[in-house]
Amino acid sequence: DIQMTQTPSSMPASLGERVTISCRASQGISNYLNWYQQKPDGTIKPLIYYTSNLQSGVPSRFSGSGSGTDYSLTISSLEPEDFAMYYCQQYDSSPLTFGSGTKLEIK
Amino acid sequence: QVTLKESGPGILQPSHTLSLTCSFSGFSLSTYGMGVSWIRQPSGKGLEWLASIWWNGNTYNNPSLKSRLTVSKDTSNNQAFLKVTSVDTADTATYYCAHTRRNYFDYWGQGVMVTVSS
Repeated sequence: DIQMTQTPSSMPASLGERVTISCRASQGISNYLNWYQQKPDGTIKPLIYYTSNLQSGVPSRFSGSGSGTDYSLTISSLEPEDFAMYYCQQYDSSPLTFGSGTKLEIK
Repeated sequence: QVTLKESGPGILQPSHTLSLTCSFSGFSLSTYGMGVSWIRQPSGKGLEWLASIWWNGNTYNNPSLKSRLTVSKDTSNNQAFLKVTSVDTADTATYYCAHTRRNYFDYWGQGVMVTVSS
């Protein structure tokens, strides 16, 4: 199985701050990497697919990049609604696997 | 507008079989490229992909659950199903179903909590 390591596991940040969450795969995944946001009530929202493609309706302050084994999600200027959990997910090979998550907290 | 909603027993006893239903609207599971996946999340932990079923009837399961998983669909009634046999306390989790295209979960249900307890 491909292991997905997300860092940091938690990140205190301030409104308006630029933040980057990292996701490293245990082997190359050819950009087959998606990102999701989960709110405290359990609601899960897709953000980015195939490394850098923004889901329709997702604000442009979200962006994704990466290649090979290293990928990242960047939020250019934090809004109140962005404080949540974030997960990466690889689909290069089965089983599909998720990162362990990053909790974005208000500083 | 795509919507999905999971339903299940809430609580069940160890060694029993868990049966979950995903009722959806806004797409058809007979349309090329469409799929429904099941993902679960124990309380306070991360997400685990369980299985996917596709428009053509193909299914893919997470081998970590060995042969305990069965996914199926009822295209006419816009439903997908997950069965997990021989449950134990480690299967206690919130179970989600998600509309899936190219292994991207682009619409999610609200999730259903399942507790395994004697």
